[in-house]
Amino acid sequence: DAGITQSPRHKVTETGTPVTLRCHQTENHRYMYWYRQDPGHGLRLIHYSYGVKDTDKGEVSDGYSVSRSKTEDFLLTLESATSSQTSVYFCAISFLAGAGELFFGEGSRLTVL
Amino acid sequence: DQQVKQNSPSLSVQEGRISILNCDYTNSMFDYFLWYKKYPAEGPTFLISISSIKDKNEDGRFTVFLNKSAKHLSLHIVPSQPGDSAVYFCAAVNTGNQFYFGTGTSLTVIP
Repeated sequence: DAGITQSPRHKVTETGTPVTLRCHQTENHRYMYWYRQDPGHGLRLIHYSYGVKDTDKGEVSDGYSVSRSKTEDFLLTLESATSSQTSVYFCAISFLAGAGELFFGEGSRLTVL
Repeated sequence: DQQVKQNSPSLSVQEGRISILNCDYTNSMFDYFLWYKKYPAEGPTFLISISSIKDKNEDGRFTVFLNKSAKHLSLHIVPSQPGDSAVYFCAAVNTGNQFYFGTGTSLTVIP
């Protein structure tokens, strides 16, 4: 199994509060991704990173920011959580551009009340 | 707009029969396609992939077919087993290494 750890695994918070989800990998893979999974929408890309300090937006990036100061850590921040951001968030990593597979973490379930 | 689509939200198949899951995409620039399997409360796991230069890839009970002219791929599972019951996602990758996923098909294999 790929060494990917997401924290926290479960979180309940209130609207308007900041939230940070952490993804930690032990594989030294270059590419890291944040997805959210919602019924009827599948997995949607929020942000991704192709190296330290190199990040870019995905399909549903509004309301989210990311940071990657070290190869092993990729942080997803909700500056002011809203109920529409209630979801299951998955981190994924990949070592090969264009022809490699994604390895996923176990997910972080976020509930915004 | 959804670049990768799975139009069947669910599929039920008898054990031992063939399961066929379908996926359509809109961007002809995708150059790699994958299928993932997901159990509840777990992250998706990689199942099988295919390059855009091929039209078929087989791995045991799993075969993926790619029809580039129709922008369509399918996953065949034969014979289907109860342990195959899960949600299946297809994904497409572009040259920027962005992975786009479909909405998923929930497969139930009936014993």
